Amino acid sequence: QVRLQESGPGLVKPSQTLSLICTVSGGSIRTDGYYWSWIRQPAGKGLEWIGRIQANGNTIYNPSLTSRVTISADTSKNQFSLTLTSVTAADTAVYYCATFHYDGTAFYPEDYWGQGTLVTVSS
Amino acid sequence: DIVMTQSPDSLAVSLGERATINCKSSQSVLYGSNNKNSLAWYQQKPGQPPKLLIYWASTRESGVPDRFSGSGSGTDFTLTISSLQADDVAVYYCQQFYATPRTFGQGTKLEIK
Repeated sequence: QVRLQESGPGLVKPSQTLSLICTVSGGSIRTDGYYWSWIRQPAGKGLEWIGRIQANGNTIYNPSLTSRVTISADTSKNQFSLTLTSVTAADTAVYYCATFHYDGTAFYPEDYWGQGTLVTVSS
Repeated sequence: DIVMTQSPDSLAVSLGERATINCKSSQSVLYGSNNKNSLAWYQQKPGQPPKLLIYWASTRESGVPDRFSGSGSGTDFTLTISSLQADDVAVYYCQQFYATPRTFGQGTKLEIK
């Protein structure tokens, strides 16, 4: 069973860059047909899909964040990462990494999620 | 973006009774390649990540109790819990995975009456 674990600073200053890593175990991020997502959730609010990456580096981002977000993968470490620049208080949220797959015909929803990590943007 | 709208925002149901949550998408999420609706339901308890319950609008994820069922097609979908258990207290979200960006409903908080 795939397991995902987020890690990174819990506090980021306004205007700085948020950087998180998701470490995957129980499976390889190089597995064909698998995609690796970032999703966030402000306290007491709903879920926002940030974007996803394939092991070949192909990415898709939410247009609402595309100017500030980068998702990358390190296949040697079986990790993928999130970078969000120029953060404000509105970026304070629990950040989740997750995975979904494509079976050759259709995509599936995210079925494995990390436990999430709270990132607070504050001076 | 496809906008997902859930109703109600909150719901209180007695133990053993039926709970029904609705989700409406701003456009059809019927996927032509497999003629299935790209609609998922998640359950989220405090301090936990969302748990996938149902996908393709009506397919239960492995291990999910059969009191959970999903229905609907096109733009209108329903999650039904046939006999509410105490463990079902949570926030429920619908998600469309038809297009990117993937989008979620605002959530429905389910409580015991």
